[in-house]
Amino acid sequence: EIVLTQSPDTLSLSPGERATLSCRASQSVPGNYVAWYQQKPGQAPRLLIYGASSRATGIPDRVSGSGSGTDFTLTISRLEPEDFAVYYCQQHGRSPTFGGGTKVEIK
Amino acid sequence: QVQLQESGPGLVKPSETLSLTCTVSGGSIGTFYWSWIRQTPGKGLEWIGYVHHSGNTKYNPSLKSRVTISVDTSKNEFSLRLSSVTAADTAVYYCAREGSSEYFQYWGQGTRVTVSS
Repeated sequence: EIVLTQSPDTLSLSPGERATLSCRASQSVPGNYVAWYQQKPGQAPRLLIYGASSRATGIPDRVSGSGSGTDFTLTISRLEPEDFAVYYCQQHGRSPTFGGGTKVEIK
Repeated sequence: QVQLQESGPGLVKPSETLSLTCTVSGGSIGTFYWSWIRQTPGKGLEWIGYVHHSGNTKYNPSLKSRVTISVDTSKNEFSLRLSSVTAADTAVYYCAREGSSEYFQYWGQGTRVTVSS
């Protein structure tokens, strides 16, 4: 099983600031197949990024993903009020597994 | 736009079988892979398994001995059965449709299942 570790647990930022979220895998992810999701309270996760860097339909270009091998990053260039949420990474190179999440909160 | 809706009992007794159904609208279940995922405060998000319209399945090894996922193409729905449940199976259960690979493009709203006597 590929274990994903996300850091930090919580990121306290102000609107307009840049958010950088990390996801580290216990072993190299086949195909660099990493997805990122946003989840707000009481809602299902929403797909943002797949294949490490491909944006899902309707996701703004201020949201980007990068990385390869075992280290992956989600970047939100300028935080909007609707971006404050919990973010999860997931590897889809083998039997799917998820990271523990990073909460982006308003400072 | 594909929509998914989970249904089933919100309360299940320990040692019994949890059964949920996901109804798909806005698209045919006859393509893609269809998954069940659960979320708990303690273990976070956990993929349970998937089914293809052909009946092909794949399960999380940690749950494989207790899980059955099946599909009914005539009703455009798929189902989850999890046997011998314990309190550790208390979770919000989501159904989801995969994209071109094993990521989850569309999700149901989730249904909370509590295991308790």
